[in-house]
Amino acid sequence: NAGVMQNPRHLVRRRGQEARLRCSPMKGHSHVYWYRQLPEEGLKFMVYLQKENIIDESGMPKERFSAEFPKEGPSILRIQQVVRGDSAAYFCASSPYPGYYNEQFFGPGTRLTVL
Amino acid sequence: GENVEQHPSTLSVQEGDSAVIKCTYSDSASNYFPWYKQELGKGPQLIIDIRSNVGEKKDQRIAVTLNKTAKHFSLHITETQPEDSAVYFCAASTANTGNQFYFGTGTSLTVIP
Repeated sequence: NAGVMQNPRHLVRRRGQEARLRCSPMKGHSHVYWYRQLPEEGLKFMVYLQKENIIDESGMPKERFSAEFPKEGPSILRIQQVVRGDSAAYFCASSPYPGYYNEQFFGPGTRLTVL
Repeated sequence: GENVEQHPSTLSVQEGDSAVIKCTYSDSASNYFPWYKQELGKGPQLIIDIRSNVGEKKDQRIAVTLNKTAKHFSLHITETQPEDSAVYFCAASTANTGNQFYFGTGTSLTVIP
């Protein structure tokens, strides 16, 4: 059973460009979470999605950031008009049940660098 | 919201010695406390977790203790080995906060052979 897959692993963008990060949860998992990790810091929650629904986006900036988890295909975290402060590692996690009381399985992350 | 603090930020121990990492949390409603290990360039991996209905849990060389009254929990690694070197994160969660985990800032553990 493959783990959580994320691609690309590394992404370089210039200021003003768009970044698209993809996450394929583990087989059988219908709950997806996105976290951001700044250098030397812990992971910060961004958004929690189920298939076709955003359940909690309280940690996601109101502008330029969006997320989706369509019925078919991976979850996508989209950052429009990237700025240098968006440079970070973005991790996706999945779980078979709502995550507050159960393990979240993390992917290897996408490291975004904004030039 | 929940605030999780983690200490120390860096820790060096001799191989074979024990390592202890401590975390405190602020929300008394938190009821699930996982610990994750993150190796360089990889995603966090769960190593042990504890729920609020128990005070201690052990898995081979790793143990976690929870004091709900004081709102702190600790990770104990005994007989450390070089492959234990990594960054360790504690986390807390509660149903009240809608399924998100609140992470500490991490402890970089180095085990010296």
